[in-house]
Amino acid sequence: DTEVTQTPKHLVMGMTNKKSLKCEQHMGHRAMYWYKQKAKKPPELMFVYSYEKLSINESVPSRFSPECPNSSLLNLHLHALQPEDSALYLCASSPIAGETQYFGPGTRLLVL
Amino acid sequence: QKEVEQNSGPLSVPEGAIASLNCTYSDRGSQSFFWYRQYSGKSPELIMFIYSNGDKEDGRFTAQLNKASQYVSLLIRDSQPSDSATYLCAVNPGNQFYFGTGTSLTVIP
Repeated sequence: DTEVTQTPKHLVMGMTNKKSLKCEQHMGHRAMYWYKQKAKKPPELMFVYSYEKLSINESVPSRFSPECPNSSLLNLHLHALQPEDSALYLCASSPIAGETQYFGPGTRLLVL
Repeated sequence: QKEVEQNSGPLSVPEGAIASLNCTYSDRGSQSFFWYRQYSGKSPELIMFIYSNGDKEDGRFTAQLNKASQYVSLLIRDSQPSDSATYLCAVNPGNQFYFGTGTSLTVIP
């Protein structure tokens, strides 16, 4: 199984809402990543978890809160987002940090 | 200076031709190099990775790496309309990837 799954596929939320994005992999990978991608731009790294510990936080605003409950699961909690946060949110995993990354299908987020 | 640079294109080639995509990187300590394909509205899909100088072939795709020149390329032989996508180069000088801005490829039937 070489699949990374993400839910939901699409999400529309208001600026006062709280929502969560979920990512799951069953490849035994020990590194997981959150990226944000705007149209016609490359993926922009947000967070890296290595062995379930946050190892990289690329100065992401606190309205984005990551969580890694176990080695297979990665969440991104969203609160008080702004319209400019509308984007495709991608999860990826790799055997260990820095190795080949495999991406999930993404969650397309629209903030109204 | 950007970590990874790609010609954004768009690059157009006729069906059946060879498409050549190029990428340069700035960190000489980079050890691993990756090519991803991304269709519009979809997530990046790994095509190939290369660690050693020289060529690596996989079907119609060939990755070429020249560490002295800090240059990595992707050749697509017998290009098909289904190859039309954005191709992202990624470089790993440590524990994270640096992505180039991507090259948009259109294969014209």
